[in-house]
Formats: sequence, C-alpha cells, structure tokens
Amino acid sequence: RKEVEQDPGPFNVPEGATVAFNCTYSNSASQSFFWYRQDCRKEPKLLMSVYSSGNEDGRFTAQLNRASQYISLLIRDSKLSDSATYLCVVIPSGNTGKLIFGQGTTLQVKP
Amino acid sequence: GAVVSQHPSWVICKSGTSVKIECRSLDFQATTMFWYRQFPKQSLMLMATSNEGSKATYEQGVEKDKFLINHASLTLSTLTVTSAHPEDSSFYICSADGLLAGASTDTQYFGPGTRLTVL
Repeated sequence: RKEVEQDPGPFNVPEGATVAFNCTYSNSASQSFFWYRQDCRKEPKLLMSVYSSGNEDGRFTAQLNRASQYISLLIRDSKLSDSATYLCVVIPSGNTGKLIFGQGTTLQVKP
Repeated sequence: GAVVSQHPSWVICKSGTSVKIECRSLDFQATTMFWYRQFPKQSLMLMATSNEGSKATYEQGVEKDKFLINHASLTLSTLTVTSAHPEDSSFYICSADGLLAGASTDTQYFGPGTRLTVL
C-alpha cells in the first residue's frame, strides 16, 4: 500500500465550480500534512498546511481527519488558473524533514 | 523571488556519461537538502537526504554509488548521476530546509528542477 494515496483524476470542471480532492495516508503516526500545487514541468509549490481544526485560505479549505487518516482540499469558485496537479504531502513521524508525496490529482478548469 | 536554484535546468547526454546537478540555497543556509526524482505522471520520490559535512542518507532502492551526493557547504549540494542510462531520464528536484530572514519557522523550499534526458 502506498504511504500517501490520491485519486489521480483528471477532474474536469467548469469555471466557478466547487471541487474537492481527497487523500489518505497509511502511517497513523504522521505529524504534518500539506497540499502542494505543481504546474506542468515545474517544481511543487506549497499551497497550504493542513490542521486538525481545518483551515481556510481564500477559496481553498483544507481538512484533516486523523481518525480516518484522511485529508481533503476544497476549491470554491474555480478559476482557469487553478488548473494544475495538487499534491497531498505528509511528513511521517520524527523531525527529519522528509516529505512523502502522493501521486497528485490533476485539475482542469474549463471556460 | 526564487530562494533555491538548480543548474542546469535541462540536460541531454549520451548513455554512459556522468551528469552533475547543482542545488543552491540563495537567501539562507541549508543544513539539510533533499533530492527527489519524478517520472512522468508519477509522484515525487525522495532519493536521498543530504546533510552538510556528512554523508547523504539514501532511500531504499536508490544506489548510492550511482547517485553521488555532495553537500560541501551550507548553500550548495550536488547530485552526480554516474554512467547515466536512458532509464535515468527524469525530472530531478532538490529542496532545501531553512529559515528565511523574517520567517518564524523552517520551511522546505524547492528548486525549479532539472530535466535529464539520456539518449
């Protein structure tokens, strides 16, 4: 079983739609969780950290459910510029700084 | 602006040659740098953790004699792909763990990546 699993998609949605991505992780002792965004042929860039209490940044909302080992990202009012691959990232236990990446979920926002 | 640079951004080489990729932290000192590899439509896979002044720690399945890592200073780590073969063609990305001036916590910053094609 992969350490971090995501539905690769692609998700094709119209502008203005709300879309949700899910991610599960296998190591219950994992400490930190993030969503990164990766554009084609570019490096990943941090979108937001994910906390148990949930957190929101503009149109983006991230949730963590430790009991179910499940992370989600909700994008409201999708823009064309949101088209990218969204990577679920986990730091396993210990303070090594190692990031474990999911395969990524591809989002295509259509006009 | 960019805080981690990589050089070269892309390279094409013949099978059997060695290729060196540099990763530099521009505005901070990075005691730890990480090297990842990403094949098309796949996830980033951590290859090794590079610590300044000591040997790199390689992930399971990554050959340390093939992927030589040197972290000679707090701002520079290099990855050398020795005797490259077509199956080594991939997108190699480094990241650096550090604290930028004015920031409150350490963050991992990614370089722009190096696309390697081995003919």
